[in-house]
Amino acid sequence: GAGVSQTPSNKVTEKGKYVELRCDPISGHTALYWYRQSLGQGPEFLIYFQGTGAADDSGLPNDRFFAVRPEGSVSTLKIQRTERGDSAVYLCASSLHDRNTEAFFGQGTRLTVV
Amino acid sequence: QKEVEQNSGPLSVPEGAIASLNCTYSDRVSQSFFWYRQYSGKSPELIMSIYSNGDKEDGRFTAQLNKASQYVSLLIRDSQPSDSATYLCAVNGASNDYKLSFGAGTTVTVRA
Repeated sequence: GAGVSQTPSNKVTEKGKYVELRCDPISGHTALYWYRQSLGQGPEFLIYFQGTGAADDSGLPNDRFFAVRPEGSVSTLKIQRTERGDSAVYLCASSLHDRNTEAFFGQGTRLTVV
Repeated sequence: QKEVEQNSGPLSVPEGAIASLNCTYSDRVSQSFFWYRQYSGKSPELIMSIYSNGDKEDGRFTAQLNKASQYVSLLIRDSQPSDSATYLCAVNGASNDYKLSFGAGTTVTVRA
């Protein structure tokens, strides 16, 4: 596709449930990033993939969060036992390579845990 | 100390004026610097990237980088109401650090 595509756009879930958020990067981009943005804040790094491997997952807040990118393209961010504090906009970005290259964001998934 | 700090705003400028946005960063070995524009309820949109000291101009936007002072700025000339948005400064760090660190953003309002 022309840009980074994220689905769903909005997700409302009950506390304790499991959710999956999907990201389809720009074709040919090898680097993929997940960020989380709360109201009034800048995006906060979660995890970075180079190809299929998670090169840096230091931003994942705890072991309830996990992400995969099995074929080096589409990525899924998985959140287990959701908590109200997980409510935020989850942003995915991709870039051609990982160094000094411009990253482009998808439209985000707004997650609300009730 | 936050890694990336921006002037808190909000910044209100009249149409046609210059809007000046400032950003400082803490990691001296940072190599890449970006400005993103974010409209309310939308995702960040890349508008400028700069990698070396000096000025870089693109249309009405000019990015300025001073690595010695650990400072990067964005000037918006001939501001238009459509420039009203939050502007995010992002910094990519050292050789083994691929993630972007973002400031909290500066909200700009251009009044007609």
